[in-house]
Amino acid sequence: EDQVTQSPEALRLQEGESSSLNCSYTVSGLRGLFWYRQDPGKGPEFLFTLYSAGEEKEKERLKATLTKKESFLHITAPKPEDSATYLCAALPSGFQKLVFGTGTRLLVSP
Amino acid sequence: NAGVTQTPKFRVLKTGQSMTLLCAQDMNHEYMYWYRQDPGMGLRLIHYSVGEGTTAKGEVPDGYNVSRLKKQNFLLGLESAAPSQTSVYFCASSSQIGGYTFGSGTRLTVV
Repeated sequence: EDQVTQSPEALRLQEGESSSLNCSYTVSGLRGLFWYRQDPGKGPEFLFTLYSAGEEKEKERLKATLTKKESFLHITAPKPEDSATYLCAALPSGFQKLVFGTGTRLLVSP
Repeated sequence: NAGVTQTPKFRVLKTGQSMTLLCAQDMNHEYMYWYRQDPGMGLRLIHYSVGEGTTAKGEVPDGYNVSRLKKQNFLLGLESAAPSQTSVYFCASSSQIGGYTFGSGTRLTVV
């Protein structure tokens, strides 16, 4: 069964304190690994897509990386505005239907 | 550039009442999806569509029906609402291999 597991469930950081969020996946024939940001009361907002092991993508203070079993979202020198829930999703082979993790709630304190 | 628009944004229903949630996208995407999001359970797929006139069941389809009469619209219906259907509902659309674009959600409370 296709499965995506995110850890930790919640993470509290001080402003400027770098850290990483983990996304482990077990899917048949990964076609893509997606990261989303979700603010309270809003829909998930697309951040990155990674297609193959070794690939990296960056956007401002965020960098996403991919291995054959997991993906990491690295947050460098975070700011309070980075506080949100970060969702990871995997696209298995076959039909276009993402498998979502339950997310990591990130809180960055000033 | 609207993207994915959901209506209504909020709704309170009494048990047994019916309603329809509307999702509209302006990106010419083939695929559309309805999810519900509950605390601690993440996003769960209710129904999806691979094109105009087609629909299929997701992981939690019971109590819901959908229709996709036009490519840009995807409707989610609750025929007889139950308290267990209290949730936040998200619609999303995508191209063949692209990421999903989500709407802003509908917060539904069934009392």
